Amino acid sequence: DAGITQSPRYKITETGRQVTLMCHQTWSHSYMFWYRQDLGHGLRLIYYSAAADITDKGEVPDGYVVSRSKTENFPLTLESATRSQTSVYFCASRPTGGLVSPLHFGNGTRLTVT
Amino acid sequence: SQQGEEDPQALSIQEGENATMNCSYKTSINNLQWYRQNSGRGLVHLILIRSNEREKHSGRLRVTLDTSKKSSSLLITASRAADTASYFCATDENSNYQLIWGAGTKLIIKP
Repeated sequence: DAGITQSPRYKITETGRQVTLMCHQTWSHSYMFWYRQDLGHGLRLIYYSAAADITDKGEVPDGYVVSRSKTENFPLTLESATRSQTSVYFCASRPTGGLVSPLHFGNGTRLTVT
Repeated sequence: SQQGEEDPQALSIQEGENATMNCSYKTSINNLQWYRQNSGRGLVHLILIRSNEREKHSGRLRVTLDTSKKSSSLLITASRAADTASYFCATDENSNYQLIWGAGTKLIIKP
């Protein structure tokens, strides 16, 4: 039961480079989310997706791009990484749109932009 | 915008003691959830309490909700070393897709 898998676990990149964080879930959950976690801010939503080919912006979408061609995958791309994007990124999923369904999280990707 | 705010930011207690964490929010909600995050891991859902509920139990966890004070508390009884983690509350803020998260309480259980 793999659940939700993020890769890589750690990534160091340089300012200006493009980097893609991968997220794969095995439950066929409809909804998927990308969050960033920074000290003192809790979790902030970057993008979410209600189904394949349906994505929408969250609270902090600038500088990020997402796609969802398949239900199980939800990659997050930083088109031109900046130091302010140094963070821990979490992918999450849930089966329905209702907020009573708990979120299931991956173990995160720690991204450092130098 | 962050709605849930946990209090205290950090809590250190002896194993076997009870740990209480609080969460406050600003607007009306439909439900409030608590999650746990172990170091270096993703968050794990602990318990959900709806706005029409006042108290809920799950094993050693007890959650209360006071909508008049816009606050919730999470009580962990008979704490264990394995309870060492950060605890987050999240509310729906009348949204149908987004949870709003607090900054978390870091709990350390001393053996």
